[in-house]
Amino acid sequence: SQTIHQWPATLVQPVGSPLSLECTVEGTSNPNLYWYRQAAGRGLQLLFYSVGIGQISSEVPQNLSASRPQDRQFILSSKKLLLSDSGFYLCAWSLYRVGNQETQYFGPGTRLLVL
Amino acid sequence: QKEVEQNSGPLSVPEGAIASLNCTYSDRGSQSFFWYRQYSGKSPELIMFIYSNGDKEDGRFTAQLNKASQYVSLLIRDSQPSDSATYLCAVKQNRDDKIIFGKGTRLHILP
Repeated sequence: SQTIHQWPATLVQPVGSPLSLECTVEGTSNPNLYWYRQAAGRGLQLLFYSVGIGQISSEVPQNLSASRPQDRQFILSSKKLLLSDSGFYLCAWSLYRVGNQETQYFGPGTRLLVL
Repeated sequence: QKEVEQNSGPLSVPEGAIASLNCTYSDRGSQSFFWYRQYSGKSPELIMFIYSNGDKEDGRFTAQLNKASQYVSLLIRDSQPSDSATYLCAVKQNRDDKIIFGKGTRLHILP
């Protein structure tokens, strides 16, 4: 069966510091990978998605970036955090199916607080 | 018009009753629809997906899809306090293949 891991689980960082969040998927090959942010009281905001190694699509212009150095590894980074970067960061994976059927499964998330 | 709309709630339902959660979407060509449950402080977990018009049942959960009305719903029978959570509706749009999430409906089951 497939599992998805994220770390760290929680993180408190000062404004202006760098960020690196990691997500790995086990038990599947060539998944689509996603980074979402969920701010307090708000919906899920898609930040990045990737359909393969080195292929990253950005949904929202911001000070965040993403990389996919390996098939089942997805990294979210920032050079300088802003207060507005605080939130719950979720990684998700899916497999594309013929007929446009695709289901996303979420990791446990990383709660980031920028002070 | 928002792409996926849900009533934010909270929706309060007595224990043992049927909870009805609703969702509308704007992309008429959408083909795939999902319901996720999210407990406070946790990540969303998939409850059901539905692709065809009509009803799909899984235990106490029934998803209903009406593509003509661009409407999808989730019914929870015999509601339990453990069903108290935020329920997210998600739609895979046809125009850009992206899965769009609603902001969720908070459900509170009253013991």
